[in-house]
Amino acid sequence: QSALTQPPSASGSPGQSVTISCTGTSSDVGAYNFVSWYQQHPGKAPKLMIYEVSKRPSGVPDRFSGSKSGNTASLTVSGLQAEDEADYYCSSYAGSNNYVAFGGGTKLTVL
Amino acid sequence: QVQLQQSGPGLVKPSQTLSLTCAISGDSVSSNSATWSWIRQSPSRGLEWLGRTYYRSKWYNDYAVSVKSRITINADTSKNQFSLQLNSVTPEDTAVYYCARAVLLGSWYTFDFWGQGTLVTVSS
Repeated sequence: QSALTQPPSASGSPGQSVTISCTGTSSDVGAYNFVSWYQQHPGKAPKLMIYEVSKRPSGVPDRFSGSKSGNTASLTVSGLQAEDEADYYCSSYAGSNNYVAFGGGTKLTVL
Repeated sequence: QVQLQQSGPGLVKPSQTLSLTCAISGDSVSSNSATWSWIRQSPSRGLEWLGRTYYRSKWYNDYAVSVKSRITINADTSKNQFSLQLNSVTPEDTAVYYCARAVLLGSWYTFDFWGQGTLVTVSS
């Protein structure tokens, strides 16, 4: 069982927006602004999409945005495109003992 | 461009040791600004960080509590690579194993490059 809770699936039509949640606790997501989001296509390694809650690495489209409220972080994908269909995982710093926690992943389907 | 190339067996017998290597190009395992981790992924456990090694004037290791008694991560500076050893494996250790680099992005280390993944099956 993953430390962070994500919905198993999400979907939207091309051009629409979809938001994926990631719920942790006051010891991880709620305690630090160190939430990252990764995109993973089948058979591929995860790709960093968002770090420090809302920052985008170079090369990531601005259609991807992140936010946080309390113990829940969110990833929003705007203007959905077919290539956005993938699994999305959140992660958070979880303190010196556990270091990093991951979510169970959300399968995003573009209808 | 950083590349991480993993190698190692895909089948390990129960009670034996799982050994994987991650060869680094485009960066140095001795870098003072990076850390080097092993992460695994399975349907039952999702993504799970296992441990890391890094160099800051000397070598440091951190391990996940769940595997701390069974894991060793070593760096080999002569080959610019790092390795994972997981002892006394059981079928529960069956997973895709990834090596990954983390660098300081903002105020925290974030995984920015990953290896290609290695499916390791624990079975007799």
